[in-house]
Amino acid sequence: DQQVKQNSPSLSVQEGRISILNCDYTNSMFDYFLWYKKYPAEGPTFLISISSIKDKNEDGRFTVFLNKSAKHLSLHIVPSQPGDSAVYFCAASRGNTPLVFGKGTRLSVIA
Amino acid sequence: DAGITQSPRHKVTETGTPVTLRCHQTENHRYMYWYRQDPGHGLRLIHYSYGVKDTDKGEVSDGYSVSRSKTEDFLLTLESATSSQTSVYFCAIRMTETEAFFGQGTRLTVV
Repeated sequence: DQQVKQNSPSLSVQEGRISILNCDYTNSMFDYFLWYKKYPAEGPTFLISISSIKDKNEDGRFTVFLNKSAKHLSLHIVPSQPGDSAVYFCAASRGNTPLVFGKGTRLSVIA
Repeated sequence: DAGITQSPRHKVTETGTPVTLRCHQTENHRYMYWYRQDPGHGLRLIHYSYGVKDTDKGEVSDGYSVSRSKTEDFLLTLESATSSQTSVYFCAIRMTETEAFFGQGTRLTVV
């Protein structure tokens, strides 16, 4: 059973607007959540993370929000740029166990 | 890059042949992982290692074996390649308590 779910396979956003990528999880024992970005023919790269004891973490244009009661997190990108077009993976971990990934959401930022 | 080299980067092999993919790190990290990426499935864990000669199975380990005889090398072997193992394979190392760093990937095609 999937522990980390990204229910939107794709998302299109106009340049300059906000992109919101969503992720749901089922395992309440996860204590860290991460977002990775992947361009074609490259490995995933770490983008931003949040501890389960926080509800928001911000890094420049990227903000991750965590709602533990709903087991939901989201990644906000403001403003969106064409270079943000990529596949975004949500991931979660518990202690030293390996990261568990969602299926990814393909973001297209249209100029 | 943080010192991960995957080899080969591309390989075409025939059904039934054994294949070994190599992941080499220069960072001396304890934890190493093999994931595969497939459309509609995201990143799925195949095997992982938490030290020399210490390995464990992931979500999709059937048909794969691994070995880690040195800290810097983590080998993934397909004992008898099948078409369902056509995929992009990523090696990763755990950089911090939570974050993993990925290699560039190996694109494997089984014909």
